Amino acid sequence: QKEVEQNSGPLSVPEGAIASLNCTYSDRGSQSFFWYRQYSGKSPELIMSIYSNGDKEDGRFTAQLNKASQYVSLLIRDSQPSDSATYLCAVVSRDTGFQKLVFGTGTRLLVSP
Amino acid sequence: DAGVIQSPRHEVTEMGQEVTLRCKPISGHDYLFWYRQTMMRGLELLIYFNNNVPIDDSGMPEDRFSAKMPNASFSTLKIQPSEPRDSAVYFCASSQDSPTGELFFGEGSRLTVL
Repeated sequence: QKEVEQNSGPLSVPEGAIASLNCTYSDRGSQSFFWYRQYSGKSPELIMSIYSNGDKEDGRFTAQLNKASQYVSLLIRDSQPSDSATYLCAVVSRDTGFQKLVFGTGTRLLVSP
Repeated sequence: DAGVIQSPRHEVTEMGQEVTLRCKPISGHDYLFWYRQTMMRGLELLIYFNNNVPIDDSGMPEDRFSAKMPNASFSTLKIQPSEPRDSAVYFCASSQDSPTGELFFGEGSRLTVL
């Protein structure tokens, strides 16, 4: 089982809709979770972090965390074509004895005008 | 700040050749990371340094890969000899004071081994 799993997509939504991106992780001890956005041909950039169960909102973005279900999600409200990108879920892991960020393979989001 | 700077941006080489990728982290950042990204495996951590000292190199694929950080402003990732399966985008990233804080990525070095 991969440490961090995401549906590769693409997830296609019309402009103005809500995009829902999901991520599951295997390490029950993980405490910190991140969403990075990567435009095609570019490098990843951090858009959200979440550490506690529940929702965290930042503008049009909401991160949701359920540690019992080992599930993290990212909601994008009022999706825009400029949101079209690959979204990477990242989880802090200690499987080697050292803390490090482990990334999922990403979900590609396409927002059509 | 100029951000994390990587070179070269693109490298095409033949199997068996030595490849050296370079990285300059953001000034004042204590942590430097080397990641490799492929379609199949996504973004994988190869190695990271704290204050120029290698901390976790468990992701380095094999002895053909080596990384150094001789000072706070420079790191190299070397592959010798290179193989076609090493073809990927190699990202360098830095973070200020934690291995799990916000990572700032360079633009990446796209390596193609023929």
